[in-house]
Amino acid sequence: KQEVTQIPAALSVPEGENLVLNCSFTDSAIYNLQWFRQDPGKGLTSLLLIQSSQREQTSGRLNASLDKSSGRSTLYIAASQPGDSATYLCAVNGVTGFQKLVFGTGTRLLVSP
Amino acid sequence: DADVTQTPRNRITKTGKRIMLECSQTKGHDRMYWYRQDPGLGLRLIYYSFDVKDINKGEISDGYSVSRQAQAKFSLSLESAIPNQTALYFCATSDASGSSYNEQFFGPGTRLTVL
Repeated sequence: KQEVTQIPAALSVPEGENLVLNCSFTDSAIYNLQWFRQDPGKGLTSLLLIQSSQREQTSGRLNASLDKSSGRSTLYIAASQPGDSATYLCAVNGVTGFQKLVFGTGTRLLVSP
Repeated sequence: DADVTQTPRNRITKTGKRIMLECSQTKGHDRMYWYRQDPGLGLRLIYYSFDVKDINKGEISDGYSVSRQAQAKFSLSLESAIPNQTALYFCATSDASGSSYNEQFFGPGTRLTVL
């Protein structure tokens, strides 16, 4: 059974810092991996999707990497801003049977001005 | 307008009541999903549907039922609500075509409280 872990559970940084959020998964047989952002009381916004054949994806100040063999993904946020404060969720899409997302419990990020 | 909408956004109900949560999408996607989110447990899949004639149980389907009324509509019902069904419920959609890689898009969520 696929399990997804995100470390740290919470992170507080001053504005302007570059930071890395970590995601690990136990079964390397994945179809893709998605990173989401969730604001308090709001839905999930898809940030980046990395296919299993890809090593990384970039969108603006965000860069997500994938090392399928070691079961790890990182989300790099450059020059953090207070507006980046949110919970970041990692979810893995399996290859076998129905392709369903298995979520980590998230990293709660606070960026202080 | 939002691509994936959920109604109601908030609901307080009592134990034993029947309640329905509704989801509509304008993305034209064939796949739809219902998840619940609990603090410390992440999102867990309740039910999913590949198309109007296809309904499947997820990992935590007990106590829930669903109806896919049309390609764009997927409803979740709690036949007899209980307090441990208090949670944040999300609907999601995805496109099965190869170019979309099954990327999932989420609605804003329904906060359900069962007293």
